[in-house]
Amino acid sequence: KAGVTQTPRYLIKTRGQQVTLSCSPISGHRSVSWYQQTPGQGLQFLFEYFSETQRNKGNFPGRFSGRQFSNSRSEMNVSTLELGDSALYLCASSLGRGPLGDYEQYFGPGTRLTVT
Amino acid sequence: GQQVMQIPQYQHVQEGEDFTTYCNSSTTLSNIQWYKQRPGGHPVFLIQLVKSGEVKKQKRLTFQFGEAKKNSSLHITATQTTDVGTYFCAGPYDYKLSFGAGTTVTVRA
Repeated sequence: KAGVTQTPRYLIKTRGQQVTLSCSPISGHRSVSWYQQTPGQGLQFLFEYFSETQRNKGNFPGRFSGRQFSNSRSEMNVSTLELGDSALYLCASSLGRGPLGDYEQYFGPGTRLTVT
Repeated sequence: GQQVMQIPQYQHVQEGEDFTTYCNSSTTLSNIQWYKQRPGGHPVFLIQLVKSGEVKKQKRLTFQFGEAKKNSSLHITATQTTDVGTYFCAGPYDYKLSFGAGTTVTVRA
């Protein structure tokens, strides 16, 4: 099976702009989660989608949003970018029939976002 | 804030030596997962522990889940340069998966 793919891999944006990141999960996986990884804060949970519905959300401002399509592919959007949004954004997929924490997560390579 | 605490934050190991990293939770966990992230890479699932007192081995790696299901450890024997990376534990909280801050391992040849 192909692994989790994320596009783009690298992105440079300016403060105030918005960005959309894409994630394609492993075939058959219906749960997609997004994480922000920074040296100072570690891996922080953004949100999880299952069957096109947001099932859970972390403690991030409303500038961070996401969605999932019927083929389980997911996108996340960050509006009005701030310097502090510079991070590695990882998506992970899992079978996810039950609560998120019950299943192993398969991570994609991430999108490295730099905000200048 | 993080629900799962990991220590130490950094581990500098001489090649061939053993080391252990620890993971602690303030509440009982239904399971605990371990991941490894190589430098420049992404987290890769290593193992999931579910039962109280469970011990699982993967070659030189030994994973343990505490009797109270509040702590876990990862012990690596005869460290090799391929063990370099950050090891994360993760536990379910409030229908989310909370990751510890990780233990970053460097190896001296």
